[in-house]
Amino acid sequence: EADIYQTPRYLVIGTGKKITLECSQTMGHDKMYWYQQDPGMELHLIHYSYGVNSTEKGDLSSESTVSRIRTEHFPLTLESARPSHTSQYLCASRPKGTGLFAFFGQGTRLTVV
Amino acid sequence: QKEVEQDPGPLSVPEGAIVSLNCTYSNSAFQYFMWYRQYSRKGPELLMYTYSSGNKEDGRFTAQVDKSSKYISLFIRDSQPSDSATYLCAMNRDDKIIFGKGTRLHILP
Repeated sequence: EADIYQTPRYLVIGTGKKITLECSQTMGHDKMYWYQQDPGMELHLIHYSYGVNSTEKGDLSSESTVSRIRTEHFPLTLESARPSHTSQYLCASRPKGTGLFAFFGQGTRLTVV
Repeated sequence: QKEVEQDPGPLSVPEGAIVSLNCTYSNSAFQYFMWYRQYSRKGPELLMYTYSSGNKEDGRFTAQVDKSSKYISLFIRDSQPSDSATYLCAMNRDDKIIFGKGTRLHILP
């Protein structure tokens, strides 16, 4: 089983609040990703990182931001949550070089009311 | 046109049946092909991956890739109720992984 952890698993929060979704991995992987997944829909890449101090926006535009200060940690922040941000957020990591596939965390299901 | 197309289902089959799940893709630059399984309210977990055209077998699972037709398949033999999940195909592009929409599979006891 992959050692990648997301907290919280579930979050219900009011509109306008600032939130940070945590993602940590203990595998020493360089590459990390955030995906957004709505029920019955595909995963959309919103952010990725190739290593410390590297962050890039993904294919799906998102109002969230990310940081990568430590290899093992890749938090996602929403400065002002809105109901349109309600979704499942999945964090993943891959090793550098020969690693082809990603290991996923269990996800954070966010509901903004 | 989406880069990866996958019928979302749901697909319901009786226990013990052979299941066939499929994806088509449009980008011939895709090199690696993966199948993930996702249970409800969980993150996806890797089932199989393959690089070249042909078949790859792992227990009850067989992954098949036809690069000339841009078509990949996952076969599940002797399907079990525990196989009920969403199955996502995935392919790599520019060091990103692109996912299909996923097919919801129900194995009926």
